[in-house]
Amino acid sequence: EAGVTQFPSHSVIEKGQTVTLRCDPISGHDNLYWYRRVMGKEIKFLLHFVKESKQDESGMPNNRFLAERTGGTYSTLKVQPAELEDSGVYFCASRLGDRGTGELFFGEGSRLTVL
Amino acid sequence: AQSVTQLDSQVPVFEEAPVELRCNYSSSVSVYLFWYVQYPNQGLQLLLKYLSGSTLVKGINGFEAEFNKSQTSFHLRKPSVHISDTAEYFCAVSDQSDMRFGAGTRLTVKP
Repeated sequence: EAGVTQFPSHSVIEKGQTVTLRCDPISGHDNLYWYRRVMGKEIKFLLHFVKESKQDESGMPNNRFLAERTGGTYSTLKVQPAELEDSGVYFCASRLGDRGTGELFFGEGSRLTVL
Repeated sequence: AQSVTQLDSQVPVFEEAPVELRCNYSSSVSVYLFWYVQYPNQGLQLLLKYLSGSTLVKGINGFEAEFNKSQTSFHLRKPSVHISDTAEYFCAVSDQSDMRFGAGTRLTVKP
């Protein structure tokens, strides 16, 4: 069974450009999460989807970030326009149920570098 | 809202030595506690979790952690580390829905 996959693994863009990160969760996992880690800091929660609906987007930094999950399958996270402080590793994770006891399964992350 | 503090950003140890990675959490509700490990160029994978019951939890690769409610801690331990344990370790706390992580502890095992 395929795990959580993320694309691209690394993206280097200039300030002001647009980048779209994609996450394919484990098949059948209704819960999908986006996290971000800026170098050396905590893995910070961005948002949580349940199927195609945003359950909690309290961690989204600002309106330059747009997350979608059309059809409740894969998800995209778009940053437009990118700023220097957006650099970091963006992790996607999925979980079968929405109870807090369940394990999150993580992708390998998408490293974003904004120059 | 819950939060996690990992008290050590880096822990260097020699091979076969014991290690303890410290984690404290805060939450206003009952929580579940997790330790994840990230090896180089890989995603995070679950080491162990505490949901309820026995406060001593055993995980993969010989790791264990102890939940201490009065001290709001969930420290990770291993009696004898190997070179292959070199990785970054993340403590996490979850309520009924969302999971929050600490800043990570980088464990480096030296020969």
